[in-house]
Parts: sequence; structure tokens; C-alpha cells
Amino acid sequence: NAGVMQNPRHLVRRRGQEARLRCSPMKGHSHVYWYRQLPEEGLKFMVYLQKENIIDESGMPKERFSAEFPKEGPSILRIQQVVRGDSAAYFCASSPQRGHQPQHFGDGTRLSIL
Amino acid sequence: AQKITQTQPGMFVQEKEAVTLDCTYDTSDQSYGLFWYKQPSSGEMIFLIYQGSYDEQNATEGRYSLNFQKARKSANLVISASQLGDSAMYFCAMREGSKGGYNKLIFGAGTRLAVHP
Repeated sequence: NAGVMQNPRHLVRRRGQEARLRCSPMKGHSHVYWYRQLPEEGLKFMVYLQKENIIDESGMPKERFSAEFPKEGPSILRIQQVVRGDSAAYFCASSPQRGHQPQHFGDGTRLSIL
Repeated sequence: AQKITQTQPGMFVQEKEAVTLDCTYDTSDQSYGLFWYKQPSSGEMIFLIYQGSYDEQNATEGRYSLNFQKARKSANLVISASQLGDSAMYFCAMREGSKGGYNKLIFGAGTRLAVHP
């Protein structure tokens, strides 16, 4: 009974490159939440997706960031033209349905920008 | 606006003693939920305990208990019989409801707990 799976665990990119972070929800879950944790801070909500739909992207920067959750495969958080300030830990959580609160997070992806 | 406040940046406790980590919250919602997470140095977020606003009893999970005082809007985490492995960052979070019927979490800044032998 696997939990939320995120990969890669660590990702290093140079400024200007693209970063792709993947999140596979728990089995039977069709809703995914992405959060970002800057150094020495708590997690902050970025985006909430249902299969093939973005429900709430109010916490996501307007430029360079995008997220998707296709019908098949994991949810992807994509950061284009990365900058030093994108260095953070990115976590996702999943839930089985809209009103069900997510509790469990994946282990996160630590993104480092050189 | 909903807000979570953790006023203790760092705490020290002797092994086998109990420790309380403070958390206060601010919300105008009648229905809400409060969570505590542990983040060890390895970085993962470990769910510890949950308290719903309508739960009459304080939540307990093994050595963890949540001291929920609704009138004071506080949800303190109590760890009994501290162990060296409890050394970690601890985050308090609140479920923020939305008109869309889904829930996202807002987090406090965290408290770093160090357990000494």
C-alpha cells in the first residue's frame, strides 16, 4: 500500500534550465496538492489539481511555473528558466475525493539551483 | 485571514521528559481542522495527529496528544517521554476550507525541538 511517491528526491539545475517534479498519488486518489517549502519556513500551498483539471492555482507564481495531472501518469510540476530563488523543497499530497482532506505528504523533491 | 502562529523557534527537552509545543490559530470558520507534522533532518513530512473543531475529546496518538483549547484558539502538541529520535522540526497546520468544497493546509513557521540525553 504505497503512499504518495515523489521523484526525484533531489534535483540540481543550473539557472535557466527547466525542472520537472513528479508526484504519483496514493492508489485510488485522484486529487493532488503541491506545496513549496523555502529554507527555514513552513509549507505554502501552490496548486490543487484533479485528474486533467487545475482547480486552484492561487499559490503558484504566474510566470515560469505550471502544473498538470494527466489522465494517465503522475502529476507534474514544471518550472521553466529556473532561478536561484526557486531552490526549495516541493511536496505533494493526495486525497481520494474533493472534500476529503489530504493528510499525508510524499517525501518531497529538493530542488537546488546552481 | 486564517493564520497559524508558532511562537517558539526552538525548544530543548531532556530525554524522557514531556514537552509542549505551542500553536495558536486564527479563523472565522466554525468548521476547521488542526494538524501537527514532524520534519526530521532527512526532510520528509510525517503526519502526527489531527483534531477537528467539533471533536470534544483531545486527540491522542501514542506519545502525542493535542491540547485543544477552542476558546483560546490554541492547539498545543504534547510529547510525553521524549526520545532522542523526537529531535526534529514540528509544524502546526490548519485546514483551510474553500467555497469549492476542498481543503488546503496553511502552516506555521515551525518549532525546532532538540532532545538531550
